[in-house]
Amino acid sequence: AQTVTQSQPEMSVQEAETVTLSCTYDTSENNYYLFWYKQPPSRQMILVIRQEAYKQQNATENRFSVNFQKAAKSFSLKISDSQLGDTARYFCAFKSARQLTFGSGTQLTVLP
Amino acid sequence: NAGVTQTPKFRILKIGQSMTLQCTQDMNHNYMYWYRQDPGMGLKLIYYSVGAGITDKGEVPNGYNVSRSTTEDFPLRLELAAPSQTSVYFCASSTTGNSYEQYFGPGTRLTVT
Repeated sequence: AQTVTQSQPEMSVQEAETVTLSCTYDTSENNYYLFWYKQPPSRQMILVIRQEAYKQQNATENRFSVNFQKAAKSFSLKISDSQLGDTARYFCAFKSARQLTFGSGTQLTVLP
Repeated sequence: NAGVTQTPKFRILKIGQSMTLQCTQDMNHNYMYWYRQDPGMGLKLIYYSVGAGITDKGEVPNGYNVSRSTTEDFPLRLELAAPSQTSVYFCASSTTGNSYEQYFGPGTRLTVT
């Protein structure tokens, strides 16, 4: 079974600064997908960024980028120029076949 | 295009009662999922469906039942509610089971007392 570990339950960052959220996973599979989801206070789950394991290039979406280290099974999320609206709980998720496995999340607070 | 909708938004049940959580998607997605999210935790898969008439268990199926008679609807049934089922329930859908993202509904907060 796959496991996803997020070792930082809570983090904070000053507005306009950069923050990195950590995620590690365990799998014996070679083809899979990794996601970061954001859950603001509204409770809605919102996809932030996606990475295909077969791609060496790290995914980027505007201010969000990942550092994908396949050998180390690490998938961190970097948020640049943090904004107050980035305050949310961030979940790392691993997907193979039909099942999506989530980490326990990191609560990020952006401070004015 | 409403995406994934869930009803109700909130519900309080007494121990032993039953209820059905409704989920509908208008994106013609084949795959649909039910998750539960306990406080401070990630989402755990309860059941999923790969198309009308086909369902399968996820990680935490005990105490729940599902059916999928149409592409659009995927109701979750709780029989004999227990306090351990107090959670937030999310329905999601996707075009395939592989790389495509899952689209989530707004969730149902259920309290069993």
